[in-house]
Amino acid sequence: EAGVAQSPRYKIIEKRQSVAFWCNPISGHATLYWYQQILGQGPKLLIQFQNNGVVDDSQLPKDRFSAERLKGVDSTLKIQPAKLEDSAVYLCASSLGWGIGNTEAFFGQGTRLTVV
Amino acid sequence: AQSVSQHNHHVILSEAASLELGCNYSYGGTVNLFWYVQYPGQHLQLLLKYFSGDPLVKGIKGFEAEFIKSKFSFNLRKPSVQWSDTAEYFCAVNAYNNNDMRFGAGTRLTVKP
Repeated sequence: EAGVAQSPRYKIIEKRQSVAFWCNPISGHATLYWYQQILGQGPKLLIQFQNNGVVDDSQLPKDRFSAERLKGVDSTLKIQPAKLEDSAVYLCASSLGWGIGNTEAFFGQGTRLTVV
Repeated sequence: AQSVSQHNHHVILSEAASLELGCNYSYGGTVNLFWYVQYPGQHLQLLLKYFSGDPLVKGIKGFEAEFIKSKFSFNLRKPSVQWSDTAEYFCAVNAYNNNDMRFGAGTRLTVKP
C-alpha cells in the first residue's frame, strides 16, 4: 500500500518569500491533516480536512498560511510571506475518517523548511 | 479542543531497564489514543493504539500502554528496553466527535548500550 507522499523534502527560502508544500494522502482516506513540527516540539495541528471541507483551522495563522484540498484528494499548504519562525518540518497525515478503527493517522516524510 | 501532556522531556536508560512514559490528556468526550514513535531521520510511525475494549493494549516491539479513564492517562511501558528503542515518542489523542488529532510535546528516549 502506497503511503502518504509529500514534496519537496527540503526547502530553503529567504524571509518574506513564499513557499508551497504538496501532499498526496493514502488512496481512500477522507481525513487529511497538516502539522507543523518545530525542532524539539510535538506536531502542532494547523488544519484538518474532511474530504475537501475544512473541519478545523483554528491554529492556522491565516494572515500568512493557506491550505486547500481540491477534489478531496491532494492538498497544498502555502506560506506567504515566510518568517524566520516558520522554520520547521511540515507534516502531512491522512486517515480513513471518523469512527472507531478509522482514525489512525498515517504520516508522510515531511518537508523541512528553513527560512533564512 | 483536547490538550495532551507528556511528563518527561528526555529519559536516559541503560539497556534492559524498564520504561514508563507518562501521557495525560484533557478532554471530556470519547477519545481514541495513540503512541507514535519517530526514529532518527524517519517519519512518525504508529506504536500502538486504543479505540475501545481492554484498556491494556499491546503494540509492536514489546511496547504496551494502559488507558486509565478516571485519570485521563495513557502511559507507555516496556519491561526491558533495547539500544534500538532510542527515539522520540509522542502521545496523541483523537477526539471522537470531530476526528481532531492532537499531539503531546514528545519524550526523547536515549538507551545506553
